Amino acid sequence: AQSVSQHNHHVILSEAASLELGCNYSYGGTVNLFWYVQYPGQHLQLLLKYFSGDPLVKGIKGFEAEFIKSKFSFNLRKPSVQWSDTAEYFCAVNARRTGGFKTIFGAGTRLFVKA
Amino acid sequence: DVKVTQSSRYLVKRTGEKVFLECVQDMDHENMFWYRQDPGLGLRLIYFSYDVKMKEKGDIPEGYSVSREKKERFSLILESASTNQTSMYLCASSPTSGGSYEQYFGPGTRLTVT
Repeated sequence: AQSVSQHNHHVILSEAASLELGCNYSYGGTVNLFWYVQYPGQHLQLLLKYFSGDPLVKGIKGFEAEFIKSKFSFNLRKPSVQWSDTAEYFCAVNARRTGGFKTIFGAGTRLFVKA
Repeated sequence: DVKVTQSSRYLVKRTGEKVFLECVQDMDHENMFWYRQDPGLGLRLIYFSYDVKMKEKGDIPEGYSVSREKKERFSLILESASTNQTSMYLCASSPTSGGSYEQYFGPGTRLTVT
């Protein structure tokens, strides 16, 4: 069965620290990859996405993610976090299959950034 | 901007009650989804619909049903609410065209069953 694994459930960082959140998936076919973010009290919203082409994808607010096909990974990075990055981050994989598609979400990583 | 709205932000219901959660999207998206979000479990798909009157079971459909009579509206029904259905329920929609499959989420309904 397809699955998405996020390596950390809770991450605490100080402002200006670098961030890397791990995401691995299990699916051998063609995939679209997403990172969503949910700020406290807000909707879940798209942070960035990968469909094809350059495996290094840049998103909003200085975030980027790198798709490494051989490792089935799509890790999220930010060189210097801010207090406002405190949120929950979800990795998602959309597996394209004949007749349809299915999106699977990871369990989420709660990031707390200390001011 | 895509807008997905949900009928209630907070609901408190009693065990055994029938519960309706409504979701409306204004971007003419073909696909609509219902998830429940629980700490440490991420988002789990309950049902989705890819067209009017069409529905497909997700990963955890037991205890739920859905209705999609109009393209913009997707309802989640708890036939007889139970305490283990206390959760945050998220509705989402996505287009089929363009191949992006990006989902747009509503604000969520926090349901408490007592």
